[in-house]
Amino acid sequence: AQTVTQSQPEMSVQEAETVTLSCTYDTSESDYYLFWYKQPPSRQMILVIRQEAYKQQNATENRFSVNFQKAAKSFSLKISDSQLGDAAMYFCAYRKGGTSYGKLTFGQGTILTVHP
Amino acid sequence: GAGVSQSPSNKVTEKGKDVELRCDPISGHTALYWYRQSLGQGLEFLIYFQGNSAPDKSGLPSDRFSAERTGGSVSTLTIQRTQQEDSAVYLCASSLAGRPNSPLHFGNGTRLTVT
Repeated sequence: AQTVTQSQPEMSVQEAETVTLSCTYDTSESDYYLFWYKQPPSRQMILVIRQEAYKQQNATENRFSVNFQKAAKSFSLKISDSQLGDAAMYFCAYRKGGTSYGKLTFGQGTILTVHP
Repeated sequence: GAGVSQSPSNKVTEKGKDVELRCDPISGHTALYWYRQSLGQGLEFLIYFQGNSAPDKSGLPSDRFSAERTGGSVSTLTIQRTQQEDSAVYLCASSLAGRPNSPLHFGNGTRLTVT
């Protein structure tokens, strides 16, 4: 079974600084997809960024980027120029590829605090 | 357009009672998921519906939990004889079919409290 591990229960960052959230996963599949979701106190899960395993280039979305290391099965999220609105719980998620891709498997989450 | 809608947003029930939680997915999304999130924890997969295929029920924690999806749209998660350990936020999500890179779009969840 696939597992997703986020080893940092909590992280903090100063406004305008950069922070990196860690995520590792375990899978025997070669075709899969990785996601980062953000959950603010409102409970609404919001997609931050996604990465296809077959792509070597790291995904970027404005201030958010990933460092995808396929051999190490690592998928970290970097937030640049942190803003107060980035404060939330962040979840890393894995989904296998192919025709029977099904569910997303989520990590336990990292609570990010942004200090003004 | 409208997002995933869940109702009720909060539900308080007595131990032993049955509850029904409703999810209305985004129009055109044929894949629908239920997850459970205990306080401060990650998301635990419960069940997945995809079109007319048999649902993936592998995450349902006991036979007190069941779900159905009528007409390929609205879904209801039913918990029978609720227990205190069922207290959690129940999240529903939907996505486009046929695309494994298609993200899940989540509702705001139903917070269930069993007293």
